[in-house]
Amino acid sequence: DGGITQSPKYLFRKEGQNVTLSCEQNLNHDAMYWYRQDPGQGLRLIYYSQIVNDFQKGDIAEGYSVSREKKESFPLTVTSAQKNPTAFYLCASSRGQGGDEQFFGPGTRLTVL
Amino acid sequence: GENVEQHPSTLSVQEGDSAVIKCTYSDSASNYFPWYKQELGKGPQLIIDIRSNVGEKKDQRIAVTLNKTAKHFSLHITETQPEDSAVYFCAAPRMDSSYKLIFGSGTRLLVRP
Repeated sequence: DGGITQSPKYLFRKEGQNVTLSCEQNLNHDAMYWYRQDPGQGLRLIYYSQIVNDFQKGDIAEGYSVSREKKESFPLTVTSAQKNPTAFYLCASSRGQGGDEQFFGPGTRLTVL
Repeated sequence: GENVEQHPSTLSVQEGDSAVIKCTYSDSASNYFPWYKQELGKGPQLIIDIRSNVGEKKDQRIAVTLNKTAKHFSLHITETQPEDSAVYFCAAPRMDSSYKLIFGSGTRLLVRP
């Protein structure tokens, strides 16, 4: 059963703490993405990776970091430098070619206490 | 800069009526236009997409039309049902690399029974 998974579904963090969100896909996709979604807004691109061991900043990368050591995994770390981290985080993957569907995970809701 | 504008932000229709959501894009070279449906607390799912070599595409009660001259594309849902209630996002390829997408701000559709 192919797909993209994210964990945990809900995450609570104290101010000043780093936290890592997991994203795994078994679709054999080359490209992976992280988006942030705030109420009433569209999806904003945080980071993306077109291939293993390579990743690029998106539109709102400040306060976030990623790694892409394996093709199937693209974890996102929300650092203490991110001033307003409470949001819904979505991971996606695609074959990495123009005109390809992006498949989304179920999302992680991060709340900073 | 590149942009995808989506209207309306909210739409309420009576069950059985039609719903239309419109998006405009800025890059005349764009050639792929997907529509995603996002249910509450879940990740977006592709419902239909259209490429620039056609002007319309249908899939049962859902259709998408593309006007390349005016640089806009629309989602049409006929015979709406309560389960159509969700947030719908349009998207278009980014100028710097076609495999990345830029998303509209979303339309919250409510179908009243």
